[in-house]
Amino acid sequence: EAQVTQNPRYLITVTGKKLTVTCSQNMNHEYMSWYRQDPGLGLRQIYYSMNVEVTDKGDVPEGYKVSRKEKRNFPLILESPSPNQTSLYFCASSLSLGGLSYEQYFGPGTRLTVT
Amino acid sequence: RKEVEQDPGPFNVPEGATVAFNCTYSNSASQSFFWYRQDCRKEPKLLMSVYSSGNEDGRFTAQLNRASQYISLLIRDSKLSDSATYLCVSGGSGGYNKLIFGAGTRLAVHP
Repeated sequence: EAQVTQNPRYLITVTGKKLTVTCSQNMNHEYMSWYRQDPGLGLRQIYYSMNVEVTDKGDVPEGYKVSRKEKRNFPLILESPSPNQTSLYFCASSLSLGGLSYEQYFGPGTRLTVT
Repeated sequence: RKEVEQDPGPFNVPEGATVAFNCTYSNSASQSFFWYRQDCRKEPKLLMSVYSSGNEDGRFTAQLNRASQYISLLIRDSKLSDSATYLCVSGGSGGYNKLIFGAGTRLAVHP
């Protein structure tokens, strides 16, 4: 089954304790992206990756890191989480061909609370 | 001004009603557009793609007006199961697949 998986699904942590949210896709997609969703603000892009070893900042990258060592995996790292990073996080993947934007497939989401 | 703007709703409609959502976008160079459906803080799922002037899929019709820079979604014969938040999305023009999401329009269909 084609899917994007994220782990953990729920996480409560304390300020400053490093954490990693994993994301994996089995569709051989080149493009992967991380979003956060907050009430009234919609989905905002944190980081994206066009392919292995190619990553770039989205609209709200501060406080986050990513890596893309393998095509299928795109972990999101919070080196020193703060309460304003409490949010619902989604990983997504899609094809990446030419100039058009293609539909993105989303993971089930990770609900993060930082106290 | 937000790049993609939607009326947040909620739209409360009875079963069987026809309901329409509009969405405006600011980037005139956008080439592709989508409607996603999101249930109760679950992951967004693609409802329809809109690459040209419009698209129809069963009870759902999406239309694109490039001159006025808006996209619409029409739902006919609403079902209880249509209750969800509908996200309007515009695709970037820079060739790197950036999608800009609206904040969503909430639809509640009641018996």
